[in-house]
Amino acid sequence: GQQLNQSPQSMFIQEGEDVSMNCTSSSIFNTWLWYKQDPGEGPVLLIALYKAGELTSNGRLTAQFGITRKDSFLNISASIPSDVGIYFCAGQNKETSGSRLTFGEGTQLTVNP
Amino acid sequence: ETGVTQSPTHLIKTRGQQVTLRCSSQSGHNTVSWYQQALGQGPQFIFQYYREEENGRGNFPPRFSGLQFPNYSSELNVNALELDDSALYLCASSSGPHREVTQYFGPGTRLLVL
Repeated sequence: GQQLNQSPQSMFIQEGEDVSMNCTSSSIFNTWLWYKQDPGEGPVLLIALYKAGELTSNGRLTAQFGITRKDSFLNISASIPSDVGIYFCAGQNKETSGSRLTFGEGTQLTVNP
Repeated sequence: ETGVTQSPTHLIKTRGQQVTLRCSSQSGHNTVSWYQQALGQGPQFIFQYYREEENGRGNFPPRFSGLQFPNYSSELNVNALELDDSALYLCASSSGPHREVTQYFGPGTRLLVL
């Protein structure tokens, strides 16, 4: 089945630093999504990308849908303590698997004040 | 708060037992998807229900089954529990099974199988 490789697995940064994480896939997706999950909660959608090459921002977050449709990255600028959590990429391919989400394994982000 | 609620929040069962997990979708949403999230991993798609019918299934055995009710709430049933079924079970509701529709996740039910 489809698999997403997400890296890095974990990051330890100082408040104010920028962060970058990415996902690669062995197969094509036509939607890429980035979620954040806090302890004891479900994932919350941060950014959705629907077109290859698309670059979208949401406040301090920026994400891009790779041209090959097999990768995506998420950048967080000027990190703050509340950015702590697990970030997941997720892909969808409507043609092959409907609206089901295929998730990466997550990037655990720790921000030191 | 996404408006998606799940019950119970935590559950402990023994191997071989059966369990039922419940999900109330956000108002106006007719589609519910269930995911299993093992510790330290990303969620994995179990199945989706749209207008009370199963609308897609992931790589899970038949002992994982579900229902959707006329009010669009949903149940996930797991029979003959195994130790590896220990996980966080998430449901997500959306206003349709379409690609560009956001799926909103509930807080999950944490199941421990002993």
